[in-house]
Amino acid sequence: ETGVTQSPTHLIKTRGQQVTLRCSSQSGHNTVSWYQQALGQGPQFIFQYYREEENGRGNFPPRFSGLQFPNYSSELNVNALELDDSALYLCASSSRDSLITGELFFGEGSRLTVL
Amino acid sequence: RKEVEQDPGPFNVPEGATVAFNCTYSNSASQSFFWYRQDCRKEPKLLMSVYSSGNEDGRFTAQLNRASQYISLLIRDSKLSDSATYLCVAHNYGQNFVFGPGTRLSVLP
Repeated sequence: ETGVTQSPTHLIKTRGQQVTLRCSSQSGHNTVSWYQQALGQGPQFIFQYYREEENGRGNFPPRFSGLQFPNYSSELNVNALELDDSALYLCASSSRDSLITGELFFGEGSRLTVL
Repeated sequence: RKEVEQDPGPFNVPEGATVAFNCTYSNSASQSFFWYRQDCRKEPKLLMSVYSSGNEDGRFTAQLNRASQYISLLIRDSKLSDSATYLCVAHNYGQNFVFGPGTRLSVLP
């Protein structure tokens, strides 16, 4: 168990809808990163939050947005859902040590299906 | 071109076999490299770091060649429990971790 929890675990939405995914980071970790993993692909970096500020963003459109709260938990919001947004969304919790150890602690993910 | 590339496989090998995975990266500024393991329908987990001098952890050996921008993972004496997807990861200090597409391994009885 990594101590990183994500909710919901599964959800189904239709095109054009909006979705909010949630992540609770591991105790003592102040950085949360979000990744999108399509079937048969590796995780693709969406963005990272450090101490409630966005601290890096991948090649995703503005309809992907996020928040980090004072307790370091985080939300990923996706507006105007498209079919290609169907994927596993992974949250990874880390600390400064991760820059050296390379260890990101992932939650089990939220599997989003867009119909 | 993707920043981290891997042969997707699948690699189907018998128990006890030795199998090697390759990975190449395009960003010469990448400073740290790692192998992650992802079981089917589970989250990725760190398997091991990769150093230029090579490093070994039991049956697993990782190697980095900075000149060729090439990373490898060798698994000796494969076990059924080694069946998983192996993700190659590059990291540039201050930037995000970049994952490759993964190589799928099936170890057969």
